[in-house]
Amino acid sequence: KQEVTQIPAALSVPEGENLVLNCSFTDSAIYNLQWFRQDPGKGLTSLLLIQSSQREQTSGRLNASLDKSSGRSTLYIAASQPGDSATYLCAPLGGGNKLTFGTGTQLKVEL
Amino acid sequence: GAVVSQHPSRVICKSGTSVKIECRSLDFQATTMFWYRQFPKQSLMLMATSNEGSKATYEQGVEKDKFLINHASLTLSTLTVTSAHPEDSSFYICSALDRGGTDTQYFGPGTRLTVL
Repeated sequence: KQEVTQIPAALSVPEGENLVLNCSFTDSAIYNLQWFRQDPGKGLTSLLLIQSSQREQTSGRLNASLDKSSGRSTLYIAASQPGDSATYLCAPLGGGNKLTFGTGTQLKVEL
Repeated sequence: GAVVSQHPSRVICKSGTSVKIECRSLDFQATTMFWYRQFPKQSLMLMATSNEGSKATYEQGVEKDKFLINHASLTLSTLTVTSAHPEDSSFYICSALDRGGTDTQYFGPGTRLTVL
């Protein structure tokens, strides 16, 4: 059974800092891995999707890397802004198109 | 981009009643949809996989008689919480699988269920 852990669980930083969010998963037999953003009481917004054959993906200030063999992914946020405050979830995709969600990192970016 | 809607967005009901939640893919056909549950300050847990024209597949520990899933068309899946109790209060989110090239899951905005 896939288990996904995200570190840190919570993070509070001043505006402008570069951040690294970590995700580890126990079963490396995945097809891809997605990073999502969730605002309080809201649904999910997909940020980045990395195929299992890829090492990284970039979108604007976001960069996600994947080391499938070691079961790790990181999400790098450059020049953080207060609008980045949210919970970030990683989710590897396994068999049956099943996503397993991590425990999440709750980010707060302060002015 | 692909859009998935959920209705209602929020529902409050009395203990013992049944509540139906709809999940619709608005601009693509989805033979497979997924239902997740999220308790406060916890992550999303997959409840079941909804397959158009066949029975849903439930994850271990999820009562199929409690959470009835009907995937009657290529754009609609419904989750009915039967005889709801306060412990069923949660945030329910669906996703729809778009097999049109990318096999990407698109998520609905979620339904907040509160059982009094």
